[in-house]
Amino acid sequence: KAGVTQTPRYLIKTRGQQVTLSCSPISGHRSVSWYQQTPGQGLQFLFEYFSETQRNKGNFPGRFSGRQFSNSRSEMNVSTLELGDSALYLCASSGGLTDTQYFGPGTRLTVL
Amino acid sequence: ELKVEQNPLFLSMQEGKNYTIYCNYSTTSDRLYWYRQDPGKSLESLFVLLSNGAVKQEGRLMASLDTKARLSTLHITAAVHDLSATYFCAVDFGNEKLTFGTGTRLTIIP
Repeated sequence: KAGVTQTPRYLIKTRGQQVTLSCSPISGHRSVSWYQQTPGQGLQFLFEYFSETQRNKGNFPGRFSGRQFSNSRSEMNVSTLELGDSALYLCASSGGLTDTQYFGPGTRLTVL
Repeated sequence: ELKVEQNPLFLSMQEGKNYTIYCNYSTTSDRLYWYRQDPGKSLESLFVLLSNGAVKQEGRLMASLDTKARLSTLHITAAVHDLSATYFCAVDFGNEKLTFGTGTRLTIIP
């Protein structure tokens, strides 16, 4: 079974720009979660989608948004980028009895 | 507040030695996960612990869960260099997300 895939793997943007990250979950998984990982704040939850509905949202400003499509693929968007948005953005999908979240390789975003 | 605390934050061990990483969490949960992260890489699922007293073992790693004490441990037996990584515990508090601990950076010294 193919794992979680994320594109792009690396991004360099400048302040004020916007960015869209994409995540394809494991086949059959309907839940997709997004996390931000930084050296200072660790792993922080952004949002979770299930069957195209956002079920939970972390404590991030409205510049961070996401959506999920009918095929369970998900995107997250960050508008008006700030230097502090530089991070590794991880997507995870889950399903089945244990609800284990399986993580993709991440997108490393650098904001200059 | 929903919190997950890990200790130690850093751990330097000699090969062949045993050690334990601790994960405490703030409120009731019976669903805890352990992940491994290598430098520059993503998170790899190690263990899923779903009930009080659950114990899982894989190679030199063994994880356990005590829901009454709100404590999970990750025990390393006879460490080898390949186990050098950062280990995270994560708790599902029933709110459709995982709350992660700070991570334990483990370095195995020959």
